[in-house]
Amino acid sequence: DTEVTQTPKHLVMGMTNKKSLKCEQHMGHRAMYWYKQKAKKPPELMFVYSYEKLSINESVPSRFSPECPNSSLLNLHLHALQPEDSALYLCASSLRQTSGNTIYFGEGSWLTVV
Amino acid sequence: EDQVTQSPEALRLQEGESSSLNCSYTVSGLRGLFWYRQDPGKGPEFLFTLYSAGEEKEKERLKATLTKKESFLHITAPKPEDSATYLCAVNYGGSQGNLIFGKGTKLSVKP
Repeated sequence: DTEVTQTPKHLVMGMTNKKSLKCEQHMGHRAMYWYKQKAKKPPELMFVYSYEKLSINESVPSRFSPECPNSSLLNLHLHALQPEDSALYLCASSLRQTSGNTIYFGEGSWLTVV
Repeated sequence: EDQVTQSPEALRLQEGESSSLNCSYTVSGLRGLFWYRQDPGKGPEFLFTLYSAGEEKEKERLKATLTKKESFLHITAPKPEDSATYLCAVNYGGSQGNLIFGKGTKLSVKP
């Protein structure tokens, strides 16, 4: 079963709100990812966690704050976002953060910032 | 310069009309080439991983092949439900596991 579950599926938030996106996988994967995807563009990497430690931060603004509470869960905390942050946020996981490992994506969380 | 280039950008087929999508790459030290299918508003769905030149994988009407410079996704007798954007991605020794995506091919299959 290759399943990555994301909640919520849709989120509308104001620029002063604080909200969180959640992601869960039970495949025993030890690498978890956050990607951002704008319309008609491929996904862009934001963060990578390997064995629950932040491994890659692709120069993402501090208004996005990732958290990996355990090997199955990944959160993305959102605060003071801008309208241009509206996008599809994808969580993904792979067995290890090693090239060659297949990365599996969740269905995504649609974020609209008003 | 793009490291992964997909062509065509868009492809319209009649139901039953077989065709191929192309993904060319310029990275060295390829560790994996990945094909995904993405429906509008949803996350990419994994299709295939290819590791070495000459490798082929099949799933229903789809067959993926790999050479030293490119990969093809062959679609045999497509159906309207095959309509989607197909994404190709690679990773290599220096990419720390990250995927380098192409821009995708949007496939439309008309009944």
